[in-house]
Amino acid sequence: KQEVTQIPAALSVPEGENLVLNCSFTDSAIYNLQWFRQDPGKGLTSLLLIQSSQREQTSGRLNASLDKSSGRSTLYIAASQPGDSATYLCAVRWSGYALNFGKGTSLLVTP
Amino acid sequence: DTGVSQNPRHKITKRGQNVTFRCDPISEHNRLYWYRQTLGQGPEFLTYFQNEAQLEKSRLLSDRFSAERPKGSFSTLEIQRTEQGDSAMYLCASSLGRVLMNTEAFFGQGTRLTVV
Repeated sequence: KQEVTQIPAALSVPEGENLVLNCSFTDSAIYNLQWFRQDPGKGLTSLLLIQSSQREQTSGRLNASLDKSSGRSTLYIAASQPGDSATYLCAVRWSGYALNFGKGTSLLVTP
Repeated sequence: DTGVSQNPRHKITKRGQNVTFRCDPISEHNRLYWYRQTLGQGPEFLTYFQNEAQLEKSRLLSDRFSAERPKGSFSTLEIQRTEQGDSAMYLCASSLGRVLMNTEAFFGQGTRLTVV
């Protein structure tokens, strides 16, 4: 069964810390992987898209890596800020068109 | 605003009533998706359109659910005879499909449905 798992489910860090969010998937034959941010009661904001042929993508303070052979992706957030507090979702596309989501990691950055 | 637009943002309905949601994708995007999200869970795929053709449907999409995308522009999702278990956030997403490439999916703000 194709599944996406995100650990930890929740994370609290003081402002300024660098942090890593983890995503694992059971089938390495992915088309791409996308990281999203979701604020409470809101829709999803796309952060980074990594194609299967890529190893990493960067946008500002965010860096996402992909290791297909081990079935893992990480989202690195540098110099965290209170405004980064949100739920971060990892989504994998295998065959077909659907994105398959993990349950997310709820991040709280305290001032 | 050139993002994905969903209406209404909130809908409260009585059990047994029919409801319809609308999604306006980013204008040049030919791919459109519907997802459902319940509290504490990630979004779950419901259905996918490429232009006006509905190409993929999840087993989650029971006979009470129907989606359309006439003329390959906006899409509607209708739920007939709503049940309390239908209460969820319904999310629409769109992307630009290209041969041999999967492009970034952009989501709307969602429609939150509460069935009482």
